Amino acid sequence: GEDVEQSLFLSVREGDSSVINCTYTDSSSTYLYWYKQEPGAGLQLLTYIFSNMDMKQDQRLTVLLNKKDKHLSLRIADTQTGDSAIYFCAENESGGGADGLTFGKGTHLIIQP
Amino acid sequence: EADIYQTPRYLVIGTGKKITLECSQTMGHDKMYWYQQDPGMELHLIHYSYGVNSTEKGDLSSESTVSRIRTEHFPLTLESARPSHTSQYLCASSQDRENTEAFFGQGTRLTVV
Repeated sequence: GEDVEQSLFLSVREGDSSVINCTYTDSSSTYLYWYKQEPGAGLQLLTYIFSNMDMKQDQRLTVLLNKKDKHLSLRIADTQTGDSAIYFCAENESGGGADGLTFGKGTHLIIQP
Repeated sequence: EADIYQTPRYLVIGTGKKITLECSQTMGHDKMYWYQQDPGMELHLIHYSYGVNSTEKGDLSSESTVSRIRTEHFPLTLESARPSHTSQYLCASSQDRENTEAFFGQGTRLTVV
């Protein structure tokens, strides 16, 4: 079955870069997503990458996809206190599906002053 | 910003009560989902819908039920709430196309005492 794995915690210093990693098992995944959840809130889509891309950059965010190793990463440059949140990696299969996305367990990003 | 709303945001209710969690979206999305988010923050899909009059069970078994009489609404009902139902419930919707980016509501935090 589908499986998405993430580390549960990541601690970085303010101003450093954060790299959150994710591995997935479904080779038919078409789109891969990064969602951010702040305390007490719903999930907010940060960015997504199509499976035929290797990299996508959007301001401070860089997504890298290694399709061969089924590895996805999210790099946040110049990490700020407002980046403190839970980050979820998610995938969906080619053609979508009514059962939606498969999520990882989420990585808690902790910012040290 | 996503146009998907959940009410109430917080609910504390006694055991045995019947409750309905509301979810509405104004984006005309056919697909809608309910996720349960446990204290460890992992997301579990409990219900989804392809469209009006369509409801399906998700990956995680739930005693709740859902209905989809109108495209915009996807309410979730617990006939008799129990402490084990205490959790965060997140509603989401997406378009019926290949890039099934899901938009999330703010969530309902339910506490059953």
